[in-house]
Amino acid sequence: DAKTTQPPSMDCAEGRAANLPCNHSTISGNEYVYWYRQIHSQGPQYIIHGLKNNETNEMASLIITEDRKSSTLILPHATLRDTAVYYCIVRTRSNDYKLSFGAGTTVTVRA
Amino acid sequence: NAGVTQTPKFQVLKTGQSMTLQCAQDMNHNSMYWYRQDPGMGLRLIYYSASEGTTDKGEVPNGYNVSRLNKREFSLRLESAAPSQTSVYFCASILGQGLVQYFGPGTRLTVT
Repeated sequence: DAKTTQPPSMDCAEGRAANLPCNHSTISGNEYVYWYRQIHSQGPQYIIHGLKNNETNEMASLIITEDRKSSTLILPHATLRDTAVYYCIVRTRSNDYKLSFGAGTTVTVRA
Repeated sequence: NAGVTQTPKFQVLKTGQSMTLQCAQDMNHNSMYWYRQDPGMGLRLIYYSASEGTTDKGEVPNGYNVSRLNKREFSLRLESAAPSQTSVYFCASILGQGLVQYFGPGTRLTVT
């Protein structure tokens, strides 16, 4: 699976959009980009995933660059409850589905 | 539909004691996983079960055993607990190929 690089931390103002970058320069053609988050002391929570097209759901939007070497998770209107560690994971879709979690980005939403 | 449940939520053990962490899912998922998370660290895979009747080692399997009891249940056993096994343990499940992985609320284990 391709390795990902994320900034260790970032701050965001409540009500503003939070843009979380992720670099995955060694991604291969059949690897998807997944985003999870972990709010303090809770189990990780799935947010969104995509292959090459931009994706949007009720939680967030995922923008993947045309060369697929990087992506951005967008939380459109951050709230205090969005304070969490956000993980960007790249891997193929297969039955042998082992997620490798790195250090992630600690996002702090401030009032 | 409770999703993924784990018991117990908290446990304190003395060095050398044994215990079993229980995990169950009611989503009819095929694959189940056990992770551990040490303070300030990401999750590390201990064992997984791709389907009922099969189990495989992950990154950090030493000191643990698992049992896939049936499609719903996947247990993690510590035969002789050590302080290095103090951690938060998460169970997860997934339906099939590359779909979303759902996590339980975690078991916080302290070994003294």
